[in-house]
Amino acid sequence: DGGITQSPKYLFRKEGQNVTLSCEQNLNHDAMYWYRQDPGQGLRLIYYSQIVNDFQKGDIAEGYSVSREKKESFPLTVTSAQKNPTAFYLCASSIARNTGELFFGEGSRLTVL
Amino acid sequence: SQKIEQNSEALNIQEGKTATLTCNYTNYSPAYLQWYRQDPGRGPVFLLLIRENEKEKRKERLKVTFDTTLKQSLFHITASQPADSATYLCAPDSSYKLIFGSGTRLLVRP
Repeated sequence: DGGITQSPKYLFRKEGQNVTLSCEQNLNHDAMYWYRQDPGQGLRLIYYSQIVNDFQKGDIAEGYSVSREKKESFPLTVTSAQKNPTAFYLCASSIARNTGELFFGEGSRLTVL
Repeated sequence: SQKIEQNSEALNIQEGKTATLTCNYTNYSPAYLQWYRQDPGRGPVFLLLIRENEKEKRKERLKVTFDTTLKQSLFHITASQPADSATYLCAPDSSYKLIFGSGTRLLVRP
């Protein structure tokens, strides 16, 4: 079945540590996105990528980094510079940027201890 | 700044009734607007997309309207069922991205 796979589903991190969240899609989509969701708030865009080896900052990119070395993969690193990293992280893809529906993964919940 | 408003209070209705959820946006003019369903601890799932030149869109028991003058979209679920209980997010587009509202939680009582 085609879709988006995020891992891990749950992750605990000590303060000062970097962590990387995985996102893989087999939908052959060009565009991929990372969102952050906090309780009672809408999804906020962290980074997006329209094509391999290219990505752009979203609204809340500080403290995060991404790479897009393969079309299928768009990992997100939460660095120690992110002041409040505890959140629910969602990866999504679309056929191309700004062309309709987003397909979301099941999310990764990061908790900083 | 661009802003999306959805009712933060849960909507509690009886099974079989029509649920109506509201999405208001300010300070921009989206070319289209999407609605998603999100269950607790899960990723959102796409439901419907309506374009600025469409007044209404239907899909089975779902209906969406888009009033660009009022800057508002209404999302209706007719003959609601307990399985429709979830949080519903609206997302008007803004140039290169979707801006998501915080969602309205719908509870359908049996």
